Amino acid sequence: ETGVTQTPRHLVMGMTNKKSLKCEQHLGHNAMYWYKQSAKKPLELMFVYSLEERVENNSVPSRFSPECPNSSHLFLHLHTLQPEDSALYLCASSQVLASGGLGNEQFFGPGTRLTVL
Amino acid sequence: DQQVKQNSPSLSVQEGRISILNCDYTNSMFDYFLWYKKYPAEGPTFLISISSIKDKNEDGRFTVFLNKSAKHLSLHIVPSQPGDSAVYFCAAREYGNKLVFGAGTILRVKS
Repeated sequence: ETGVTQTPRHLVMGMTNKKSLKCEQHLGHNAMYWYKQSAKKPLELMFVYSLEERVENNSVPSRFSPECPNSSHLFLHLHTLQPEDSALYLCASSQVLASGGLGNEQFFGPGTRLTVL
Repeated sequence: DQQVKQNSPSLSVQEGRISILNCDYTNSMFDYFLWYKKYPAEGPTFLISISSIKDKNEDGRFTVFLNKSAKHLSLHIVPSQPGDSAVYFCAAREYGNKLVFGAGTILRVKS
């Protein structure tokens, strides 16, 4: 596997289900991101992990719970979602700069298309 | 308030002609700008970038222009090809901070 992979690619779930999205990066990066893309809207940054620590939580509802067990893997745990949470969920990775800041270029996975019924 | 705006939701261009995609930003602290291309069912892929110390960066058929005084950047694709049909996202960042994306412009290149 190369680059950034995401599984599953498609997910349909009911509002009472619990599911998880998985992301894995094979680029040797040490920052990982979750984005939400809804139709005709900018990519919305949800969470950022830098060196396995969460450094950004963009006012995301608690029904979304991220987990970063190591620098190569990132999960998004989903619980009691709403239909308006249906979207494309994108994972990305980047380097962390020597200063501790985030690198300029992010590499994206193909996304998980989530539908909440 | 959107800090990065792509005011044209879509653009249609004839094959072989120039495609110009525009992006405006409001944050004067942004010092690095990127363009990403996204095909359906795929994640965005990095296309070209420019630092705020430059006003032009070229890579093959793709050129990005930056006008800092106007807080405007544009992506030129010459000549446009049908395979360029995709959604193009403009993104900007302050050094070391997160990327801020625009809403995207759908480019259709007609053969």
